[in-house]
Amino acid sequence: DSGVTQTPKHLITATGQRVTLRCSPRSGDLSVYWYQQSLDQGLQFLIQYYNGEERAKGNILERFSAQQFPDLHSELNLSSLELGDSALYFCASSAHYRDQPQHFGDGTRLSIL
Amino acid sequence: EDKVVQSPLSLVVHEGDTVTLNCSYEVTNFRSLLWYKQEKKAPTFLFMLTSSGIEKKSGRLSSILDKKELFSILNITATQTGDSAIYLCAGNYGGSQGNLIFGKGTKLSVKP
Repeated sequence: DSGVTQTPKHLITATGQRVTLRCSPRSGDLSVYWYQQSLDQGLQFLIQYYNGEERAKGNILERFSAQQFPDLHSELNLSSLELGDSALYFCASSAHYRDQPQHFGDGTRLSIL
Repeated sequence: EDKVVQSPLSLVVHEGDTVTLNCSYEVTNFRSLLWYKQEKKAPTFLFMLTSSGIEKKSGRLSSILDKKELFSILNITATQTGDSAIYLCAGNYGGSQGNLIFGKGTKLSVKP
C-alpha cells in the first residue's frame, strides 16, 4: 500500500459527460501528480500541483483541469468526454524535499461508452 | 524531444533464470532514473538512480545507471513467478520536484 488513495476505482460514463477523480496524497507529501495510462501511449504525465499551486503541465488537454485543495487532496476534472479518454488515471505524490520518488495510487479506470 | 526507450518490450523466462531489462533515455535537465514494477494496479517504486556507476540492490533485484551512455539496466536474478509484471523505467527531468517521462515498459512473464 503506497499510502496514496484514489476514488473511485472504476467509472463508467458516456461521451459528452463530465467526471471528477479524487486523490489523497501520502501523509506529509505536498506534491501531487496526475498521469494517464492508455494501452497505446503508456504512462503520460498530465499535471503537477505543489502545496496548492500548479507547478508543471504535461500533455493535458484543455478539456481537463485539476486543483489541489488546502488539505492537499487533489481533483482531476475531465469534461466533454470522448471515447479516447478511456484510460487508467493515476495520481502520485512525493515528499517536498528534492529527489524523492513518486508513489502511485491504484488508479481510477475510466470507461467511456 | 525527451524520450525513454525500454527493451525488450516483452520477455518470457522460466523460474530461476536471470534477466536484464534495458532502459535508454534522452531527457533534458536529467536528474534521476527511476524503476517501477506494475502488476495489476499501481506502479510500485523499486529504485531511484542519480549517480553513474553505483549499483542499487534490493534482494534479487539490482540496477545501475550509466550517465555517459544514457542508459540503465535492471537485473533480476533467480526469477520467481511473482516477478511477472510490467517493469517501467522513467526519466526525471528538471524542476524542484521533477516530473517523469516513462518508457512503454517491459512485460516480464516468468513460467514455473
